[in-house]
Amino acid sequence: DVQMTQSLSHVAASPGESVSISCKASKSISNFLAWYQQKPGEPYKLLIYSGSTLQSGTPARFSGSGSGTDFTLTIGSLEPEDFGLYYCQQFHEKPFTFGAGTRLELK
Amino acid sequence: EVQLVESGGGLVQPGRSLKLSCAASGFTFSNYYMSWVRQAPKKGLEWVATISTSGSRTYYPDSVKGRFIISRDNAKSRLYLQMNSLKSEDTATYYCARQGQIGYNDWFAYWGQGTLVTVSS
Repeated sequence: DVQMTQSLSHVAASPGESVSISCKASKSISNFLAWYQQKPGEPYKLLIYSGSTLQSGTPARFSGSGSGTDFTLTIGSLEPEDFGLYYCQQFHEKPFTFGAGTRLELK
Repeated sequence: EVQLVESGGGLVQPGRSLKLSCAASGFTFSNYYMSWVRQAPKKGLEWVATISTSGSRTYYPDSVKGRFIISRDNAKSRLYLQMNSLKSEDTATYYCARQGQIGYNDWFAYWGQGTLVTVSS
């Protein structure tokens, strides 16, 4: 199975700052990577797919980069609604696997 | 607007069965692969099952293979998960999810709110 590692379980930042969340795959997954956001009481929301393509409705301050094994989700100029949990997921091969999540907290 | 509404969760004893249902609306259900994903309490996400558009192909991780069965009724726009021989480690919130592209088994573009399954005696 492809192991997905999000090295930071928590990141603290302030509104207006830029933050990056990393995700590493145990083997090359090309760009078959998605990023999701979870906020309390809301369904999981797809932010980015294929490594860097923004899902319709995802604000432009979100961007994704990387290919192969190393990926980054960057949020430029944080808004209050951006605080929550972020997960990466590979869909290169089955079983589809997720990272353990990174909680973006208010500093 | 895409909507996915799960139902059927609850408390069940180990070894028993439970069937989850997901009502889909806001898109042409028969065009998309559909999946179930779960999250155990204070744990990460785990993919549970995926079914092709026609239902002819199904995919499972080893953790549930042989115990869980995913199915769909395209006429009713409903997705199901039959869970047999339940174990305590199956305790989780189960999410119904729609894949991203028509006819492709790819990312999870839309998710439901989830239904909680608790396996305990």
